[in-house]
Amino acid sequence: DAMVIQNPRYQVTQFGKPVTLSCSQTLNHNVMYWYQQKSSQAPKLLFHYYDKDFNNEADTPDNFQSRRPNTSFCFLDIRSPGLGDAAMYLCATSRFRGGEQFFGPGTRLTVL
Amino acid sequence: TQLLEQSPQFLSIQEGENLTVYCNSSSVFSSLQWYRQEPGEGPVLLVTVVTGGEVKKLKRLTFQFGDARKDSSLHITAAQTGDTGLYLCAALNTDKLIFGTGTRLQVFP
Repeated sequence: DAMVIQNPRYQVTQFGKPVTLSCSQTLNHNVMYWYQQKSSQAPKLLFHYYDKDFNNEADTPDNFQSRRPNTSFCFLDIRSPGLGDAAMYLCATSRFRGGEQFFGPGTRLTVL
Repeated sequence: TQLLEQSPQFLSIQEGENLTVYCNSSSVFSSLQWYRQEPGEGPVLLVTVVTGGEVKKLKRLTFQFGDARKDSSLHITAAQTGDTGLYLCAALNTDKLIFGTGTRLQVFP
């Protein structure tokens, strides 16, 4: 089945230790998104790629970076995680901008 | 910043009861979506409503888009434990999804 896959599902890191979260998709969608979702809150868009075109949200901290080496994969790099970065990180894809978004299962990040 | 307010924030009911969740904004939207998110999973799209006054039914779920396209409601008839989850409305703003504040529903047997 075509889908959005996130690895790992659970990630534990230490304060200040860089961490990378992975997302892959078999839908061949042009757009990939990264959201941060804290407990009982709505997802908050961090950035998105339209093909190779990177679009950062104005309020996304510099601590968060992203890479999209090809259509299928997109990575979220957190350079120096703080305690406040503990959250669920959701990857989503859509065929085109403004199209229906398909979400992955998320990676729950714990920062010790 | 366009804001989508959902009410109630939390809802705890027993199986068989009916419930309604509201999504309100001061902005007009071209369309509005409803998602359900189960614990530990990503949101799953339930429906998209496009036309003012539109009503869509998905089994026991009834979705309505307000005439002015500023608000929407989700009504669940005879809730089941499988309906438990976080319900999110969302609207497109310059090709990006803006999510509502969320309604956490717990259905007890």
